Amino acid sequence: GQNIDQPTEMTATEGAIVQINCTYQTSGFNGLFWYQQHAGEAPTFLSYNVLDGLEEKGRFSSFLSRSKGYSYLLLKELQMKDSASYLCAPWDSNYQLIWGAGTKLIIKP
Amino acid sequence: GAVVSQHPSRVICKSGTSVKIECRSLDFQATTMFWYRQFPKKSLMLMATSNEGSKATYEQGVEKDKFLINHASLTLSTLTVTSAHPEDSSFYICSARDTSGDTGELFFGEGSRLTVL
Repeated sequence: GQNIDQPTEMTATEGAIVQINCTYQTSGFNGLFWYQQHAGEAPTFLSYNVLDGLEEKGRFSSFLSRSKGYSYLLLKELQMKDSASYLCAPWDSNYQLIWGAGTKLIIKP
Repeated sequence: GAVVSQHPSRVICKSGTSVKIECRSLDFQATTMFWYRQFPKKSLMLMATSNEGSKATYEQGVEKDKFLINHASLTLSTLTVTSAHPEDSSFYICSARDTSGDTGELFFGEGSRLTVL
């Protein structure tokens, strides 16, 4: 079957760095997305990885290892506005997005 | 947990025909549902917000007459792509908000891949 595993909740301090891990099992693979979702709002796109390695985009970086079925989202210089849910979503062979339940990130001052 | 189901998951149609995609919240009531469009390797693009019992709110640049949205019940919203053309081929995703809680959490459907020949 297809499965996404992310921590349910994480807490970090403002200004620090946090890594949100995601492991996945899918029928085929066409890349992996990370989305940010603030409570009550639509999700916003953060990153897309299709090849192994690290993609850096400002304070956010995303890493992918296809052989391990593993990805992580790295957030640096955390700000209070980064408090949100972070969704890991790989694309399977049929380009169906397989959504994880998301990780709720709580930032403390 | 809450589940949102979309149907069909894949559809192929001829140019000029209309296609209806359903989005259902299976175990909760959703007064608000969202419809997204996603091109390959691109981010989700919010198309419209569907409100039960009232007209949908469309995002700028989205043609209301082409993408008809109906949210007739608390568990069902439909997106109809009218007079489809090959450029409408895309991946359409819906999400629904579980309004029974206070989090406003959104649950996503599996997506529907539309191919217009």
